[in-house]
Amino acid sequence: NAGVMQNPRHLVRRRGQEARLRCSPMKGHSHVYWYRQLPEEGLKFMVYLQKENIIDESGMPKERFSAEFPKEGPSILRIQQVVRGDSAAYFCASSPGEGTGGRAQYFGPGTRLLVL
Amino acid sequence: DQQVKQNSPSLSVQEGRISILNCDYTNSMFDYFLWYKKYPAEGPTFLISISSIKDKNEDGRFTVFLNKSAKHLSLHIVPSQPGDSAVYFCAASPDKLIFGTGTRLQVFP
Repeated sequence: NAGVMQNPRHLVRRRGQEARLRCSPMKGHSHVYWYRQLPEEGLKFMVYLQKENIIDESGMPKERFSAEFPKEGPSILRIQQVVRGDSAAYFCASSPGEGTGGRAQYFGPGTRLLVL
Repeated sequence: DQQVKQNSPSLSVQEGRISILNCDYTNSMFDYFLWYKKYPAEGPTFLISISSIKDKNEDGRFTVFLNKSAKHLSLHIVPSQPGDSAVYFCAASPDKLIFGTGTRLQVFP
């Protein structure tokens, strides 16, 4: 039973380029969350999605950041025109959303983005 | 505005002894709490959770206690093992997780 998959594990971009981070939730999980961990800080919520729906994007920067979770395929976090301050570890988590333990979120290994 | 606080950035415990990690929260509407362990360069690993309708939940060496009136929860690890050395985060869940800043636990022989 594979866990949450994220790719790439490491991503290097130059300022102004686009970064695409992918997340495949655990089998049977329909809820996906993205979190960001800046250096020397805790994890901060960015966005909560269910299939084809954004449920809560209150943690997303207003510009350059977008997320989707299509009917088929992984969830994508997209950062346009990256800046050095976007350098961080980006974690995806999934949960079943229902039933006993449905609220526990299981994390992927993260994507470490470095903007040069 | 830090809604979930872990006031001890680090904790050092001898192998075999009890480790107690503490967490405070400010929002009385939070109704579900979780503890995660994190190693460097890895994602957080879920350890244990507790609903606000309970005051204790136990899973093997890990026990979480919740004191709603004090808005305080704690994670007890007994006996502590060197492999428990990691950063521990508590989180509160209204859906999304609101994390504390973490406590680095070191278990020495």
